[in-house]
Amino acid sequence: DAGITQSPRYKITETGRQVTLMCHQTWSHSYMFWYRQDLGHGLRLIYYSAAADITDKGEVPDGYVVSRSKTENFPLTLESATRSQTSVYFCASSEMYEQYFGPGTRLTVT
Amino acid sequence: AQSVSQHNHHVILSEAASLELGCNYSYGGTVNLFWYVQYPGQHLQLLLKYFSGDPLVKGIKGFEAEFIKSKFSFNLRKPSVQWSDTAEYFCAVIPPLGGYQKVTFGTGTKLQVIP
Repeated sequence: DAGITQSPRYKITETGRQVTLMCHQTWSHSYMFWYRQDLGHGLRLIYYSAAADITDKGEVPDGYVVSRSKTENFPLTLESATRSQTSVYFCASSEMYEQYFGPGTRLTVT
Repeated sequence: AQSVSQHNHHVILSEAASLELGCNYSYGGTVNLFWYVQYPGQHLQLLLKYFSGDPLVKGIKGFEAEFIKSKFSFNLRKPSVQWSDTAEYFCAVIPPLGGYQKVTFGTGTKLQVIP
């Protein structure tokens, strides 16, 4: 089915470990985004990508790395996870102004 | 700092009550405005949007929002809520001259509708 998928849906990891969250979209949208959702902060943009091989920082990029070698994939890597990165992570894509969101990944860092 | 404010963090209503959720932004100039909804356990989806024209915007599921430029507001309304409207609602703004990547979300309002 067309859409945007994220994996894993749930992840528990330890402080200091590297974690990669995957995002895949089937629409061939140019733009893709990573957000984190935290109580009291709403959605905050981590990184976005305007096209393959073009990425840029959002509001809260520290501790995260992204890449986009293919239009449909936009993985997010936590290089050395910290407890403050415990959150729900949403990937989104867009071609125009409307964003289409994935189901989210709930990440817990212990 | 430029921002989007949703002053109601948690709203509890009985079924059939009327709903109004506030959204204010602090950007001057022309903005693009959105309301997104996140039902329990689901991803965010677009409820309605305003780019220009009629300031009263109709969305899905009987929701509407009114853009009042003088008040920098884009409040969401529904005349009669249902239990199935229980969700978290996010206002979002693309500021003047902003591109797709510039959208800023409010902190969200959790709506609980009691049967």
